[in-house]
Amino acid sequence: DIQMTQSPSSLSASVGDRVTITCRASQSISSYLNWYQQKPGKAPKLLIYATSSLQSGVPSRFSGSGSGTDFTLTISSLQPEDFATFYCQQSYTTPYTFGQGTKLEIK
Amino acid sequence: QLQLQASGPGLVKPSETLSLTCTVSGGSISSSSYYWGWIRQPPGKGLQWIGDIYYSGRAYFNPSLKSRVTISVDSSKNQFSLILSSVTAADTAVYYCARRPTVGGLFDYWGQGTLVTVSS
Repeated sequence: DIQMTQSPSSLSASVGDRVTITCRASQSISSYLNWYQQKPGKAPKLLIYATSSLQSGVPSRFSGSGSGTDFTLTISSLQPEDFATFYCQQSYTTPYTFGQGTKLEIK
Repeated sequence: QLQLQASGPGLVKPSETLSLTCTVSGGSISSSSYYWGWIRQPPGKGLQWIGDIYYSGRAYFNPSLKSRVTISVDSSKNQFSLILSSVTAADTAVYYCARRPTVGGLFDYWGQGTLVTVSS
């Protein structure tokens, strides 16, 4: 299985901050990397697919980049509603696997 | 607007069988553009893909669970189902159903999730 490792596991930030979350794959996954946001008690929500494509309805302050094994999710200016847990997921091959999550908390 | 709703028993005894159904509304499960899948999340932990199925019945499974998993589709009811046999406490999780486009491997619509607890 392809292992996905996110860093950091948790992060404290303030409204208006620029935040970057990193995801590393155990082998090359080309650009088959997706990002989800999950709020407590809710299902994950797709934010970005294929490394950098913004899902419909997702604010433009979210962006993604990378290729191969190293990827990043950036939030350009944190808003109060952005505080949540973020997961990366590789869709290069089955079994599809997710990172362990990054919990973004209010400082 | 597409909606997915998972349903089934919230409590299952160890060694027994977990059975869940996902009802799709606002779209057809027989669309040639999508797979329909199951993903689970143990309390306080991360996400694990279980498997997914095409309307034709073609299915893909996570090898770690494959020997215990059956996924089926009922196009007449616009539903798909998950059966997980010989459950243990490690199978306690929120189970999500989700839609996966045939291209890309992403999951773009998710149901609200249903908690299944394995306990005697």
